[in-house]
Amino acid sequence: DTGVSQNPRHKITKRGQNVTFRCDPISEHNRLYWYRQTLGQGPEFLTYFQNEAQLEKSRLLSDRFSAERPKGSFSTLEIQRTEQGDSAMYLCASSLFGLAGGPKEGNEQFFGPGTRLTVL
Amino acid sequence: KNQVEQSPQSLIILEGKNCTLQCNYTVSPFSNLRWYKQDTGRGPVSLTIMTFSENTKSNGRYTATLDADTKQSSLHITASQLSDSASYICVVQGSGTYKYIFGTGTRLKVLA
Repeated sequence: DTGVSQNPRHKITKRGQNVTFRCDPISEHNRLYWYRQTLGQGPEFLTYFQNEAQLEKSRLLSDRFSAERPKGSFSTLEIQRTEQGDSAMYLCASSLFGLAGGPKEGNEQFFGPGTRLTVL
Repeated sequence: KNQVEQSPQSLIILEGKNCTLQCNYTVSPFSNLRWYKQDTGRGPVSLTIMTFSENTKSNGRYTATLDADTKQSSLHITASQLSDSASYICVVQGSGTYKYIFGTGTRLKVLA
């Protein structure tokens, strides 16, 4: 257990429905990342937050995807009007970025167990 | 072309045997390279991390090597166990960036 939790662990939905996932990072971590992973592939970056600010979004994050981290703690990822191509594992990671961190210690990303989404 | 390439894609070995997984990368400038283990249906868990000045790093039965000149890394697993069955992902972080660049992983299956 890395200390990062995600809920739900599994979600099955019908095409066209909206879904929302939650990530609770390690409490003192100021950065939070969302990734998508399809079968047999490595994780692909979607977006990341530093505290409550969303600093970067991948072009993979279409208009149907929105992520928030309103209080700089937990984050939610919502997918609207789901499509079968959205079926994947959605991973969250968190890290502590700061002056004390060197190239290794700074930005070590700890991953949650993921939410597996199946769109029927 | 992926900036982090791993080989083989999949590997089957018998329990107790050793194996070596390969990672080639083109990310430059380079900060560090990590190996992660990912069990099926779980998130990745860090095994080792090396900066460009480190040649080898061990974590129990896992030993990672790095050749920053040739941009190659390997992960050697000694005396494999059934619990080693997982995907092993090589991750490279460029210098001055937070971004992780992931390889596609090597799927290892250890048989009794």
